[in-house]
Amino acid sequence: NAGVTQTPKFRVLKTGQSMTLLCAQDMNHEYMYWYRQDPGMGLRLIHYSVGEGTTAKGEVPDGYNVSRLKKQNFLLGLESAAPSQTSVYFCASSNQGWNTEAFFGQGTRLTVV
Amino acid sequence: KNEVEQSPQNLTAQEGEFITINCSYSVGISALHWLQQHPGGGIVSLFMLSSGKKKHGRLIATINIQEKHSSLHITASHPRDSAVYICAVRWSGGSYIPTFGRGTSLIVHP
Repeated sequence: NAGVTQTPKFRVLKTGQSMTLLCAQDMNHEYMYWYRQDPGMGLRLIHYSVGEGTTAKGEVPDGYNVSRLKKQNFLLGLESAAPSQTSVYFCASSNQGWNTEAFFGQGTRLTVV
Repeated sequence: KNEVEQSPQNLTAQEGEFITINCSYSVGISALHWLQQHPGGGIVSLFMLSSGKKKHGRLIATINIQEKHSSLHITASHPRDSAVYICAVRWSGGSYIPTFGRGTSLIVHP
């Protein structure tokens, strides 16, 4: 039982490049979330999904897109990376929208140069 | 705006000390979570509470719904407890987007 798995764990991008972060969970959770964590800022919500085929914007969605084609996977895309997107990205999943235990991935450390 | 306040922001202790971290919130909640993040590491769920008290090893979490306050206690602290502890709440009223506190950075010296 792997829980929540994020890939990749580390990545360096050049400004303007694109990439996709993958979050996979094997707990049949409905709710999945993408956060970014920056020093002194805490966790900020980028996008979230309440079920397969649904996505919604969070607090800081600009520059990111997401897709949830399969229930177990939640993808975060950066179409044209900017240095301001240098951050640590965490995926989380839960049932009942945080009314039950939430599980986090290990994080992806992204540097945009 | 619904808010979550954690205190203290930073905490230093000697090994063996009893530690308390506090979390206060502004309006009614349906659940409160305590999370742990080691330096450079991932985020782990420690407890989820909607009432009362939970204990796991040396960690105890309590919540007082009337006072809108929760505490995380660590008994017999150890250097491996050094981490950031984050409080997160799910507001009542149907929102499934939690609000996070800013975190408490704990360092336990041997």
